[in-house]
Amino acid sequence: DAKTTQPPSMDCAEGRAANLPCNHSTISGNEYVYWYRQIHSQGPQYIIHGLKNNETNEMASLIITEDRKSSTLILPHATLRDTAVYYCIVRADLNTGNQFYFGTGTSLTVIP
Amino acid sequence: NAGVMQNPRHLVRRRGQEARLRCSPVKGHSHVYWYRQLPEEGLKFMVYLQKENIIDESGMPKERFSAEFPKEGPSILRIQQVVRGDSAAYFCASSREGGRSYEQYFGPGTRLTVT
Repeated sequence: DAKTTQPPSMDCAEGRAANLPCNHSTISGNEYVYWYRQIHSQGPQYIIHGLKNNETNEMASLIITEDRKSSTLILPHATLRDTAVYYCIVRADLNTGNQFYFGTGTSLTVIP
Repeated sequence: NAGVMQNPRHLVRRRGQEARLRCSPVKGHSHVYWYRQLPEEGLKFMVYLQKENIIDESGMPKERFSAEFPKEGPSILRIQQVVRGDSAAYFCASSREGGRSYEQYFGPGTRLTVT
């Protein structure tokens, strides 16, 4: 699985958009980009995933560059409850061995 | 619709004792994954099981650790002769089928403290 690079921490003002970057320059053609988050002391929570097209759901938007070497998770209107560690994970969607490899993620702090 | 359940939520063991961590997957899910999170670190994959089978245990230490997912009942992660370095949060996740990775749901974790 491709390695990802994320900034260790970010701040965002409440109500503003939070843009979390992720570099995955060694991603291969069959690898998806997944985002999970972990609110303090809880289990990780799935946010969104994509292959090459931009994706949007009720939680967030995922923007993947055309060369797929980087992506950005966008929380459109951050709230205090979005304070968490956000993990960008790149992996192939295989039928077996579906474990995720979590890095250290980005610690997002939403400021009132 | 109950999510992944783990118990106990907190477990304290003295060095040398055994720790048993239980995970009940989402109803209808037949794939279970165990991860370990050391303080200030990300989650590390340990083992992937289907009912009665270990599919991938590449992340699990070769000694003292074992896992099972019987036909009936919860998945069990067992740590024998615990040491202080085993102190961590252990998370279980489940999915309905192996091919849909994004459908992996995580439990609240068991926090093991070894004194």
